[in-house]
This record gives sequence, C-alpha cells and structure tokens, in this order.
Amino acid sequence: QQPVQSPQAVILREGEDAVINCSSSKALYSVHWYRQKHGEAPVFLMILLKGGEQKGHDKISASFNEKKQQSSLYLTASQLSYSGTYFCGTEKDSGYALNFGKGTSLLVTP
Amino acid sequence: EAGVAQSPRYKIIEKRQSVAFWCNPISGHATLYWYQQILGQGPKLLIQFQNNGVVDDSQLPKDRFSAERLKGVDSTLKIQPAKLEDSAVYLCASSLYSSTDTQYFGPGTRLTVL
Repeated sequence: QQPVQSPQAVILREGEDAVINCSSSKALYSVHWYRQKHGEAPVFLMILLKGGEQKGHDKISASFNEKKQQSSLYLTASQLSYSGTYFCGTEKDSGYALNFGKGTSLLVTP
Repeated sequence: EAGVAQSPRYKIIEKRQSVAFWCNPISGHATLYWYQQILGQGPKLLIQFQNNGVVDDSQLPKDRFSAERLKGVDSTLKIQPAKLEDSAVYLCASSLYSSTDTQYFGPGTRLTVL
C-alpha cells in the first residue's frame, strides 16, 4: 500500500511557496516526512499522528487529514537549501513498518 | 551523539557473487531497519528488527537475502547470490523504540552488480 505523492516534481524560485501531497488508500496511524538530498541519507522533518495537530517548524509545516487519508507538506518562502526529494512514509497502525512514496523532487532556483 | 554507521559505502560485484553490509545503529535504539532504495524510488523496507527479534521481513527475498542483528545492536545484511536487479542503495536506519518514532538513517551502501 504505497502512498501516492503529488506532484512528482516542482521547480520554484527562491521565496515561493509549495505544497506536496501524500495520499493513501488505507486508513493511517501516522505520516512521516523526510527530505533527501542527492547522494545523501533521508533526513527526518516531522511526524504527524492520528488525532494530532498540524505541525511545523521554521517555514515548513504539515497537516494530516485522517478522514481523507492524506497529508500535505507546506514549504513557505522557500530557500535554496530546501532543494531535494521529499518522501512521505505512512504507518497503518502503531508499530507497523513505514511505506514510503516515490518522492517529490523539489528544486529551488535563485 | 553518533549517528547510524554503515560500511562499506560503495561496493561493486559481479552477478552471482555474495556481498555483506554492516550497520551500527544509534546507541540505545531498540529498532533497526534495512531499506533498499532503487534510483528514483522511495526506500523499501527489507527487514525490521526490534532488539534482536524480527518484526517484519515480509518484503525480504529470503532465497537470496539474509539479515541478523547481533546481541540486539549491530546488524549485517547479506546477499547471496547477487542479481543485476539488486543494484541499489542499502540504507540502515534506527529508532528509539518502534516505527512510530523518528527513524535516523545511515549514509547507505551503494551496491552495483555487473
């Protein structure tokens, strides 16, 4: 039950905003967001749990709509350092393995 | 705090040869994961250990892949014999208790099978 991410790729100018979506066909317990730069390991951004609130730090935030079985990652006033591939990982119940989406490639240009 | 360590970083082998990867998780982390990441794809879980017990190995090709976690700390992933389609980055990750917790990834081992 691999989640579906959209868009597949996005190009922004520095300072613009972006939204990345992650949808599942199954009910979810949690959604995890990671960013991976080319040739590097994925780096944790945030976890959203069922029944939890929207989370965020700095200019990156995320929401989790349990009824729609989807999560969105919001990047505001994008910086060059935001470039990379963003993955969502979904957990169907507590302690179950994460299923990662295929990723969304984000490029921020000057 | 030291991160997740993996070795080797790169490996090139011929098909039908065997190869082994090593992972040392963050100290105190009970759960360890091995993922396979094919170019352009998200990480795919191969096996998940909690301490030295297997939690999930449903996607591990058991005819050629094996893994163990020694004394609930270090882990080794082996492929024998390797196929061309095994070319990928093998990522090890660890989390404090379960997969609901933050997973910290190691730098990965890039495997090329010729």
